[in-house]
Amino acid sequence: DVKVTQSSRYLVKRTGEKVFLECVQDMDHENMFWYRQDPGLGLRLIYFSYDVKMKEKGDIPEGYSVSREKKERFSLILESASTNQTSMYLCASRPSGGFIYEQYFGPGTRLTVT
Amino acid sequence: AQSVTQLGSHVSVSEGALVLLRCNYSSSVPPYLFWYVQYPNQGLQLLLKYTSAATLVKGINGFEAEFKKSETSFHLTKPSAHMSDAAEYFCAVSGGGSQGNLIFGKGTKLSVKP
Repeated sequence: DVKVTQSSRYLVKRTGEKVFLECVQDMDHENMFWYRQDPGLGLRLIYFSYDVKMKEKGDIPEGYSVSREKKERFSLILESASTNQTSMYLCASRPSGGFIYEQYFGPGTRLTVT
Repeated sequence: AQSVTQLGSHVSVSEGALVLLRCNYSSSVPPYLFWYVQYPNQGLQLLLKYTSAATLVKGINGFEAEFKKSETSFHLTKPSAHMSDAAEYFCAVSGGGSQGNLIFGKGTKLSVKP
């Protein structure tokens, strides 16, 4: 079974803090993704990576950065957390080859910024 | 550009009744379509996917979906709802482009009444 793990299920941070969300997958997938999920808005893509050290912006990259130094790990960084970044963050991975393959999701990190 | 519309942000059914969750898509290329389920405080889990092999797709937990090109639809059905089906359901289309990213609908929350 594919397993995608996220470092924290719940996280509370203060405004202005630097926040790291970590995601690890164990299936040697080339592609990894970070989404945020908000009620009524569905899932919105923040960043994705199709290889080590490669990254591309998704639909809502502002206020976020990412790092992928190893194939299995994809980190989302909030440089200076703000209250409007309070959300559920979901990580996903997928093999290369694109369209036909589904994405495998981690359990999510619910981040609250106060 | 690809897009997905899920009709109805909330659907309520009685236990044992038919479940019908609606999804319409827009795609400039032959689409790959997915239904995911999210139970409370969990990540997304794949229910089923359409990859052009057959128009009627069977998934886990008794769910199925039918691809109708003429109606650009991919509605999700289950003949008899169970209390454990209460969750949020997301339809997604493969987004084309070089990486085939998924475009998600905004989700439909299913409630099941005893």
